[in-house]
Amino acid sequence: QLQLQESGPGLVKPSETLSLTCTVSGGSISSSSYYWGWIRQPPGKGLEWIGSIYYSGSTYYNPSLKSRVTISVDTSKNQFSLKLSSVTAADTAVYYCARKKPSRITIFGAADYYYMDVWGKGTTVTVSS
Amino acid sequence: DIQMTQSPSSLSASVGDRVTITCRASQGISNYLAWFQQKPGKAPKSLIYAASSLQSGVPSKFSGSGSGTDFTLTISSLQPEDFATYYCQQYNSYPYSFGQGTKLEIK
Repeated sequence: QLQLQESGPGLVKPSETLSLTCTVSGGSISSSSYYWGWIRQPPGKGLEWIGSIYYSGSTYYNPSLKSRVTISVDTSKNQFSLKLSSVTAADTAVYYCARKKPSRITIFGAADYYYMDVWGKGTTVTVSS
Repeated sequence: DIQMTQSPSSLSASVGDRVTITCRASQGISNYLAWFQQKPGKAPKSLIYAASSLQSGVPSKFSGSGSGTDFTLTISSLQPEDFATYYCQQYNSYPYSFGQGTKLEIK
């Protein structure tokens, strides 16, 4: 059974870089069938998509965060990571990692239109001095 | 960017009721819409993808419909464990976007 587990510091100082890792177990991050993503949720608010990565390293970022976000993958450790620079109190949130599964297979056998089917439990990050 | 708007923002219902939540996209997204359930302190759980396809293991009391810009999530025969917050999300194009959520409460 696939499981994802977020890890990293729970407290980050303003202007510093937030760094989180998602460890995948029960499946391979190198599978060509899936993408992997990060989502966050500020306290008492809704969900915000941060970005996605493929095992090859191809990435997509939310333009609202693009200048500060880097997502990377380490296939040898079956992990992918999030770095968010120059954080402020507005970056305080629960951060989730998720697997993205294709919702469509074309007649040519290509997969596309990926949705988030398995989520980690989330990790709380507070930005404060 | 595509904006997703859910209605209502909150909803009170009784055990055994059937409820419907609506999600509207600011532009057409075909059927590339997912629904999630979130309980307090827990991660979102995938319920439906491709607007109407049930995620594996999700009971058939949950159903989705719609295409283009207008979508619905229907929950039949509400049970205590169904009271939660529900989110729609479009994955037709980047950046992915979520609705603001609908909190389903016990009347």
